[in-house]
Amino acid sequence: GDSVTQMEGPVTLSEEACLTINCTYTATGYPSLFWYVQYPGEGLQLLLKATKADDKGSNKGFEATYRKETTSFHLEKGSVQVSDSAVYFCALRERGSARQLTFGSGTQLTVLP
Amino acid sequence: NAGVMQNPRHLVRRRGQEARLRCSPMKGHSHVYWYRQLPEEGLKFMVYLQKENIIDESGMPKERFSAEFPKEGPSILRIQQVVRGDSAAYFCASSAGDNTEAFFGQGTRLTVV
Repeated sequence: GDSVTQMEGPVTLSEEACLTINCTYTATGYPSLFWYVQYPGEGLQLLLKATKADDKGSNKGFEATYRKETTSFHLEKGSVQVSDSAVYFCALRERGSARQLTFGSGTQLTVLP
Repeated sequence: NAGVMQNPRHLVRRRGQEARLRCSPMKGHSHVYWYRQLPEEGLKFMVYLQKENIIDESGMPKERFSAEFPKEGPSILRIQQVVRGDSAAYFCASSAGDNTEAFFGQGTRLTVV
């Protein structure tokens, strides 16, 4: 079945540091890939997505590129802010499907001033 | 356009009681998904419903858990005879259908004492 493996946390960075959170996936088909962010006490918000190979999703300074050859979708940001402190989830969903998302276990990011 | 509305936000139940969690999807959305997030873990799919139909319940525990999405009114996740292990955050998401974004509610945090 489908699965998503994320870099384990927690990750602690200083403000303006570079961020990479690794994500790899296993899927039987050709999935769409997502990054969700969960702020404390809140639900999940879609951060960015990519639907086909070599697509780059980007939002709020975050980027991730759909790499089919390495089955990866790593999240990157060049300069993190304190307000980026949250839990980040990588997820996939089979294309052409309204079915459920498959999530990674989440990575807790804390950014210190 | 209101987002996905879940209530209550927090629910405390004694062991053996019933818990009823409600989810009103976004306007125009006919697909509802329930996920459970255990402490320090990612989200695990439970059930996928369309109006009056359960499409996929492969993530639902075999006993005590049920879900419905009636023609009128919110989707309900029902947990009978709760046990301490049911303590978790339960998230609902809705979408308009195939290849469309799923939007998440803020979750219901169930505590069983």
